[in-house]
Amino acid sequence: QVQLMESGGGVVQPGRSLRLSCTASGFVFNTFAMHWLRQSPGRGLEWVAIIWDDGTSKYYADSVKGRFTISRDNAKNTVTLHMINVRVEDTAVYYCAKAVARSGFNGYVADWGQGTVVTVSA
Amino acid sequence: AIPLTQSPSFLSASVGDRVNITCRASQDLDSTLAWYQQTPGKPPKLLIYYASILQSGVPSRFSGSESGTDFTLTISSLQPEDCGNYYCQQYNRYPLTFGGGTKVEIK
Repeated sequence: QVQLMESGGGVVQPGRSLRLSCTASGFVFNTFAMHWLRQSPGRGLEWVAIIWDDGTSKYYADSVKGRFTISRDNAKNTVTLHMINVRVEDTAVYYCAKAVARSGFNGYVADWGQGTVVTVSA
Repeated sequence: AIPLTQSPSFLSASVGDRVNITCRASQDLDSTLAWYQQTPGKPPKLLIYYASILQSGVPSRFSGSESGTDFTLTISSLQPEDCGNYYCQQYNRYPLTFGGGTKVEIK
């Protein structure tokens, strides 16, 4: 079955950087796009970014554009979210999720990781 | 971005009750709307996609419908295990957006 395991969360100061990773198993990784989403009490559920199966296309929420970068390594079945210049409002549980297609078409999500907590605080 | 307005934000109902949760979009979504259930400490679970298609393994008491830009999630007979938060999500265009959520409680 599909398994998605996030790592890399923690406490980080505003303005600093953090890298989240997600290791996938149970499916042919290089044939599905991958999402990052987040959830916080203040902002609710929020989609963050998507990367196509071959990594050629990436899209971001306006709230993170220019600060977050999504990437993937199909040889290692991993997807990464590199966060720079983090803000207090980036505090959230971050979820890695498997798309249902090779691209961003059909953007509903059937498979989610358990999430990793990011806290941005001085 | 396409905002989604979900209502009610909270509902309390008895076991066996029929429950409706509504999600209103600001524009036509061409049925590209999904519903999720979330219980504390867990990620969201997909219930319905394309407005009315039941995800595999989801009990048949859950159903979805649409009328124009209004979407409804119905639980035909509320069960104790249905407690939690419910969210709608549009995938008509990026950025993907979610409704604010509905907390369902058993009386």
